[in-house]
Amino acid sequence: GENVGLHLPTLSVQEGDNSIINCAYSNSASDYFIWYKQESGKGPQFIIDIRSNMDKRQGQRVTVLLNKTVKHLSLQIAATQPGDSAVYFCAENTFSGSARQLTFGSGTQLTVLP
Amino acid sequence: EPEVTQTPSHQVTQMGQEVILRCVPISNHLYFYWYRQILGQKVEFLVSFYNNEISEKSEIFDDQFSVERPDGSNFTLKIRSTKLEDSAMYFCASSPQGPGAPLHFGNGTRLTVT
Repeated sequence: GENVGLHLPTLSVQEGDNSIINCAYSNSASDYFIWYKQESGKGPQFIIDIRSNMDKRQGQRVTVLLNKTVKHLSLQIAATQPGDSAVYFCAENTFSGSARQLTFGSGTQLTVLP
Repeated sequence: EPEVTQTPSHQVTQMGQEVILRCVPISNHLYFYWYRQILGQKVEFLVSFYNNEISEKSEIFDDQFSVERPDGSNFTLKIRSTKLEDSAMYFCASSPQGPGAPLHFGNGTRLTVT
């Protein structure tokens, strides 16, 4: 299953399928990006990050792709499991003054169907 | 695995009252943050703190808000006179370094202002 941008806030996939969650970021000066997973009642949990000098990074069952030309970030989850059901946020590191803050996207609700 | 802990998990207060939200960041981390999330919305940056002073703050973080690191382990957010619109989840986060490192979030304090 795949969603495009943050205009579609929900994504439903069958257990065992691959999931693709997309994110469009706004600041061309951003050079560090993170995907977070947020389960109900919990704080954002770090999944994977990528720096702007890379276009792909793999973790355990997850891959992040970065396309700086079109300012697009995606998170691929292989063999989606029920425990993957959560809201997924992309976040960009925006330089502002003397410190950098994370700017979060709107989030995508991933639902894994049995 | 070390984690950020926040207390209380839920705080109910009356409009106009002061509240203090408490956080214990991960022990070897140097950068501390507060974010908030209004129900169903994105996570928003409030303030970052490094070397015992505020590094950056957002427009949300007005004169009603303050942060303090009263000892070597606690990091607090005070809201002097709460308003209804302050009702939200407040997340504390910490990081071992500033730019280019993931933030580790606590599970939040749900603040309800009545």
